[in-house]
Amino acid sequence: DAKTTQPPSMDCAEGRAANLPCNHSTISGNEYVYWYRQIHSQGPQYIIHGLKNNETNEMASLIITEDRKSSTLILPHATLRDTAVYYCIVRDHGSGNTGKLIFGQGTTLQVKP
Amino acid sequence: SQTIHQWPATLVQPVGSPLSLECTVEGTSNPNLYWYRQAAGRGLQLLFYSVGIGQISSEVPQNLSASRPQDRQFILSSKKLLLSDSGFYLCAWRGKLGVSYEQYFGPGTRLTVT
Repeated sequence: DAKTTQPPSMDCAEGRAANLPCNHSTISGNEYVYWYRQIHSQGPQYIIHGLKNNETNEMASLIITEDRKSSTLILPHATLRDTAVYYCIVRDHGSGNTGKLIFGQGTTLQVKP
Repeated sequence: SQTIHQWPATLVQPVGSPLSLECTVEGTSNPNLYWYRQAAGRGLQLLFYSVGIGQISSEVPQNLSASRPQDRQFILSSKKLLLSDSGFYLCAWRGKLGVSYEQYFGPGTRLTVT
């Protein structure tokens, strides 16, 4: 599995876009990029995933570079409730039926008023 | 819709005592089930996963065991707790339709071993 690198922490002003980077320079062609977040004292929450095209849903947008070596999760209008640890995970969909996720240390996003 | 339950929400147990944490999923059948632990200030560590009744895979050697007696029930146990077993225990499920890695987590159990 490709390893990901994320900054340990970031700040964002409330109402502004939060851009969370993730490096995955060893990603292989069939590995997807997944984002989860964990609000304090809660279980992680799935946000979005993508392979090579940019993706958008009601929570966020995922921008993947053309070489797929990095990606950015964008929260378009961050609120105080978006304060959480954000995890970027790379997984191969062909890894069998286990569906295991390997969580790194993530980025702690602090949204400030 | 699918829901996942864990209990108890919090637990304080003395060293050497047994442990049983329960996780149940509603609204889906034959899910993959997972137990994770998060020690204070640390990341999530996958402990066990199960792809079916009676099928348990252990990810790390430890003082804990898991069982899946029913399709939607996953139990985490220990015969004798250690101080190092303290942490936030999370259960998760994943459907088998498709091959995506979307997992859905329960509310967790915060265990303090004293």
